[in-house]
Amino acid sequence: NAGVMQNPRHLVRRRGQEARLRCSPMKGHSHVYWYRQLPEEGLKFMVYLQKENIIDESGMPKERFSAEFPKEGPSILRIQQVVRGDSAAYFCASSTQGTGGNQPQHFGDGTRLSIL
Amino acid sequence: SQQGEEDPQALSIQEGENATMNCSYKTSINNLQWYRQNSGRGLVHLILIRSNEREKHSGRLRVTLDTSKKSSSLLITASRAADTASYFCATAYSSASKIIFGSGTRLSIRP
Repeated sequence: NAGVMQNPRHLVRRRGQEARLRCSPMKGHSHVYWYRQLPEEGLKFMVYLQKENIIDESGMPKERFSAEFPKEGPSILRIQQVVRGDSAAYFCASSTQGTGGNQPQHFGDGTRLSIL
Repeated sequence: SQQGEEDPQALSIQEGENATMNCSYKTSINNLQWYRQNSGRGLVHLILIRSNEREKHSGRLRVTLDTSKKSSSLLITASRAADTASYFCATAYSSASKIIFGSGTRLSIRP
């Protein structure tokens, strides 16, 4: 039973380019969460999605960032016109129901984004 | 901020000793979870404790929850080198669907 799969593991972009991060949740999981982590810090919530719906995007910057979780295929976190401050590790997690409902989240190993 | 805060930020102990980490939070919760993160990897779920529970065990792990003090502790008994990692608490609030992570405790086990 495959876990949460994120790709790529490492992504290098130049300032102004677009970054696309992919996340395939665990089989049977319909809830996906994206987090950002800077070195030596905790995870900062960005967005929570269910299939085809954004449930909570309160942690995501209003500009340049977007997320989707289509009916078919992985969830995508897109960062347009990247800047140096976007350099971080981005983690995806999935669960069978919203975590307020007493279910743990299962994490991928993250995508480490570096902006040159 | 509704973020949980771990204490201490860093902890170094001898192999075989017990490690205790604490987490404090600010408002009422639905549940509290502990996660471990090894360097360069994603988080691994350890234990979930509901607001109406006071203590849970899983192997060498023991978690307590004191809702009156808005705090939780994670005890790792008979520590091993493989326990070296960062440990995070995460709180889920009654009316929210997201969980909020603390800044973590970095645990180092000396051989």
